[in-house]
This record gives sequence, structure tokens and C-alpha cells, in this order.
Amino acid sequence: DVKVTQSSRYLVKRTGEKVFLECVQDMDHENMFWYRQDPGLGLRLIYFSYDVKMKEKGDIPEGYSVSREKKERFSLILESASTNQTSMYLCASSPREEPYGYTFGSGTRLTVV
Amino acid sequence: DAKTTQPPSMDCAEGRAANLPCNHSTISGNEYVYWYRQIHSQGPQYIIHGLKNNETNEMASLIITEDRKSSTLILPHATLRDTAVYYCIVRGGVSGTYKYIFGTGTRLKVLA
Repeated sequence: DVKVTQSSRYLVKRTGEKVFLECVQDMDHENMFWYRQDPGLGLRLIYFSYDVKMKEKGDIPEGYSVSREKKERFSLILESASTNQTSMYLCASSPREEPYGYTFGSGTRLTVV
Repeated sequence: DAKTTQPPSMDCAEGRAANLPCNHSTISGNEYVYWYRQIHSQGPQYIIHGLKNNETNEMASLIITEDRKSSTLILPHATLRDTAVYYCIVRGGVSGTYKYIFGTGTRLKVLA
């Protein structure tokens, strides 16, 4: 069964910590995405990558960075975690060519205290 | 990408068909309609997509109007496990424009 795996289901970090959220897919997909989901705001795109070492900002990139050194792995980095980054983080991947569906991971619920 | 409009919530009796509408009046000719659902505390799950013709798979049917300005997702025999938030998304068929824009979706509640 094809999968997108996020390294942690729940995470608690302190304000100011550097936080790494890892995502791995086993479908050889070119595209990978990071979203955050908050009540009443839906899913909002943070960053995406359409190839190894390539990245593009989504709608809310402030306070985040990403790394894609290998095709199967896409990391989201919170350089200095803040309480307003408490959220559910969702990783997804897709093939490059339309039409295609995204495959999402199960999510990481991050709490910054 | 075209914007979509969905009702915020709907109820459906178990065993009956659930018909979820979506308005996408600004859709352009090369944009697909996609449907996803999200069950509580899980990542969204792809359901179905279409361009012009009606589509059916093991999960659902998608009916797209002739002018493509609206569509309906049909779950033919809803079960309690279909209770979820359903998202309708339209996005382009031009390779290189990769991102989806998720709205707030329709919260479907299937009642026993």
C-alpha cells in the first residue's frame, strides 16, 4: 500500500526551539507539499517542492523553511518555534503530471508551549 | 485556480444517497474538479476527479454540469463511516502549477 509517512503523530516543543518535521513517501512522486490546518481556517499551503533541491513558497511561509535533499523526503523546519505555530501539519505528495490526486500523511499535531 | 463554494454542512440518513454540491462558476477549460474528504484527525483522502464527463469509481460518482460551473459528488449508500468534511477543489491542467487551494468544505454527518 502506497504511503506518505510523517515521523511523529504528536509533538510538544518549547518556544524558541528549532523543530524538524519529517515526511517520507514511497511512491516516487516528484511533488511534495506541507500544509497546516487550523480550526476555521482550513488547510493552508506552507511550502511545496516539485523536484529535489527545489522549493517554492506557499501562502504562509513566514517562520518556516524546508529541505528536500532526496526525492522521497521533504522536511519542514521551524527555525524558532512560537506558540502561534501550534497546529496540525500535513504532508502530501503527488506525481508531476495532471490529472493526479494528492496522497496525504496522517498529520503531526504540534504543540508549542 | 478557480474558487469553489460549498455548503458548510449537510446531514444524510444512513443508507441513503448523499449529494454534495459544489459551485465553481469561474472554472476554466483546462481545470479539473477534484474531491477529497477528511475524517476527523486524519489527513485528507482523495475520492475522485473529473474534467467534463461524469465519473464513477468504487467510492463515489461525480456529476459535472454541461457548462462545468457546478458539480455534485454522490455517495450512493452513505454509511456512518462517511461522516467527514468533503472538499471540492478545482485546479489547472497546466503542468507546473502544482498547488491545491482547499476551502473549508462541507461537513457531512451521516445519521443512524
